[in-house]
Amino acid sequence: NAGVTQTPKFQVLKTGQSMTLQCAQDMNHNSMYWYRQDPGMGLRLIYYSASEGTTDKGEVPNGYNVSRLNKREFSLRLESAAPSQTSVYFCASSDGPKPLFGQGTRLTVV
Amino acid sequence: GDSVTQMEGPVTLSEEAFLTINCTYTATGYPSLFWYVQYPGEGLQLLLKATKADDKGSNKGFEATYRKETTSFHLEKGSVQVSDSAVYFCALSLKTSYDKVIFGPGTSLSVIP
Repeated sequence: NAGVTQTPKFQVLKTGQSMTLQCAQDMNHNSMYWYRQDPGMGLRLIYYSASEGTTDKGEVPNGYNVSRLNKREFSLRLESAAPSQTSVYFCASSDGPKPLFGQGTRLTVV
Repeated sequence: GDSVTQMEGPVTLSEEAFLTINCTYTATGYPSLFWYVQYPGEGLQLLLKATKADDKGSNKGFEATYRKETTSFHLEKGSVQVSDSAVYFCALSLKTSYDKVIFGPGTSLSVIP
């Protein structure tokens, strides 16, 4: 099925551990995004990639890094996880103003 | 800066009641406007959109009209069902160096039988 695929769906980390969230889309979209969703705050943009080979900071980039590996894949890395990074993370892709979202990754940092 | 404001939730309605979720926006340009819906445990899905003033977006019985004079895009449905229970996000999109999408905080809707 066409769409945006995120892995893993759930993850628990200890403070200070690192991990990479993976995202892939098969719609040949140019733009890809990482958002975090927190209660009462909607979705906040962490990083985006307007095209293959480019990445830029969004609203809340601190503590994260990204890699646009190719047109399909856009990964998000937490180098040293903190409890404040407990959240639900969504990857999205678009070729215009309507992002298509993945199912989300629920991350808990203890 | 660009922003989206939504009415506070949670909203609880009985089945077949009328729904309104208010949304207002602030934008430097001429945005497109969207409503997304998130069912429990899932990602966001586009519900409807409007790209210019006075456009009406509609889908699955939901409607919203782009009101430039009041900078609003209120979501309405005449008769809600239990299956409409979800979180609803108002959003705007502006064409900048990328397709910039800003979301409101979301409004949780629970429909009881």
